[in-house]
Amino acid sequence: DGGITQSPKYLFRKEGQNVTLSCEQNLNHDAMYWYRQDPGQGLRLIYYSQIVNDFQKGDIAEGYSVSREKKESFPLTVTSAQKNPTAFYLCASRELAGIYNEQFFGPGTRLTVL
Amino acid sequence: QKEVEQNSGPLSVPEGAIASLNCTYSDRGSQSFFWYRQYSGKSPELIMFIYSNGDKEDGRFTAQLNKASQYVSLLIRDSQPSDSATYLCAVKMDSGAGSYQLTFGKGTKLSVIP
Repeated sequence: DGGITQSPKYLFRKEGQNVTLSCEQNLNHDAMYWYRQDPGQGLRLIYYSQIVNDFQKGDIAEGYSVSREKKESFPLTVTSAQKNPTAFYLCASRELAGIYNEQFFGPGTRLTVL
Repeated sequence: QKEVEQNSGPLSVPEGAIASLNCTYSDRGSQSFFWYRQYSGKSPELIMFIYSNGDKEDGRFTAQLNKASQYVSLLIRDSQPSDSATYLCAVKMDSGAGSYQLTFGKGTKLSVIP
C-alpha cells in the first residue's frame, strides 16, 4: 500500500533530551513537510523540503532540525532548545508538479514531555 | 502576516440539516483553497479543493469561493453524525521561488446531533 508512515505513534521525552520522529513515504513525492498541532489550533509549518539534501524553515523552526538524505525519508529532531515540545506532529508529502496537488498526511506522532 | 481565519465553533446542527463552514484569508494573491476533515486524534484528510470563483460540488459537499471577498466556504448537505469532526481550511500562499506552502486556519469543530 502506498502512503506515509510515522513512528512512533506516541513518544515521551524527558526534559533536556533530543528525540527524533520518523517519517517515510512510498508515494514517490518530491516535497515533504512537518507540521505541529496544539490543542484547538491549526497546523503550523516547522520545516519543508522539495528536494533531497535541501530544506527550508517554516514558521516555527526554532528548536527543531531536519534532514533529507533520501527522497523517501524526512526525519524531524526535536532538540532540547524547543521549550514547549508537547504537541501532535504531522508529516505530509505531495507531488511537486502541479499547483493543485493535495498534501497527504501521515497518521501523526504525539509527543509528550515528562 | 498571512492569515486564515475560521470560527472555532463548536457548530452544532441537527442530522439532515445543512452545515455551513466559513473561512477568510488575508493574502489576495492566494490561488488555491483546500478543506480538510480531521477526526479527533487523527490526521487531516482532504475533502475538497477549489481554485476558481463559484461553486464546486462533490456529493454532499459544496465548496464556494469568492476571491473578491477573500472568502471560501464549505457546505455539507444532509449532515450525518459521521460528519462530526474539525474542518480545517487551508490556503496555498506563494512563498516565493516557486515554493508551495499551505497556511491552515485553526479549524471549526462541527457536531451533528442525531
